Amino acid sequence: GENVEQHPSTLSVQEGDSAVIKCTYSDSASNYFPWYKQELGKGPQLIIDIRSNVGEKKDQRIAVTLNKTAKHFSLHITETQPEDSAVYFCAASTNNDMRFGAGTRLTVKP
Amino acid sequence: GAGVSQTPSNKVTEKGKYVELRCDPISGHTALYWYRQSLGQGPEFLIYFQGTGAADDSGLPNDRFFAVRPEGSVSTLKIQRTERGDSAVYLCASSPWDRLIPYEQYFGPGTRLTVT
Repeated sequence: GENVEQHPSTLSVQEGDSAVIKCTYSDSASNYFPWYKQELGKGPQLIIDIRSNVGEKKDQRIAVTLNKTAKHFSLHITETQPEDSAVYFCAASTNNDMRFGAGTRLTVKP
Repeated sequence: GAGVSQTPSNKVTEKGKYVELRCDPISGHTALYWYRQSLGQGPEFLIYFQGTGAADDSGLPNDRFFAVRPEGSVSTLKIQRTERGDSAVYLCASSPWDRLIPYEQYFGPGTRLTVT
């Protein structure tokens, strides 16, 4: 089955800096790659996603890139703010069968 | 509109007891998913429903776990003879569904299960 690895497990940045989180996946049939943000005591919230026919997608300060050949995808957050502090999960999906990475705890220091 | 809701938000039970966890998906979403999340880990897939039927239950850890969705809307995850290792947050998600196109999954707040 699909295996998703996520790095780093923790990331601390200064407010205003950029943050990058990277994931790799094993199943070449995966065709949908969402990113979720999870705050303490809450369920994961979808923040951006990308499908296999697209290499990059951007939404304001958040962007995701996908390299299908290398089977890796990344989340980029620019101009980070303290409210971006949370745990971020990547996932890879093959026709609704979704597997998650272990998460990255992002801390943005004011 | 209303999102995915889960009840109870917290459940404490004794080892060996039976528990039921409920999920109300977003109205009109035909696909419903159950995940289990242990501390410091990503959600782990358990089972998903397309309508009333379980389309994939390969993530259920053993036969103590069972889930139903009798009318294609609300779903109940049932755990028999609970063990301390079952302690986790149980998450439910729903999505519109197309056989060929994966859709976004929207998560509920989860039920924190503690087995003492």
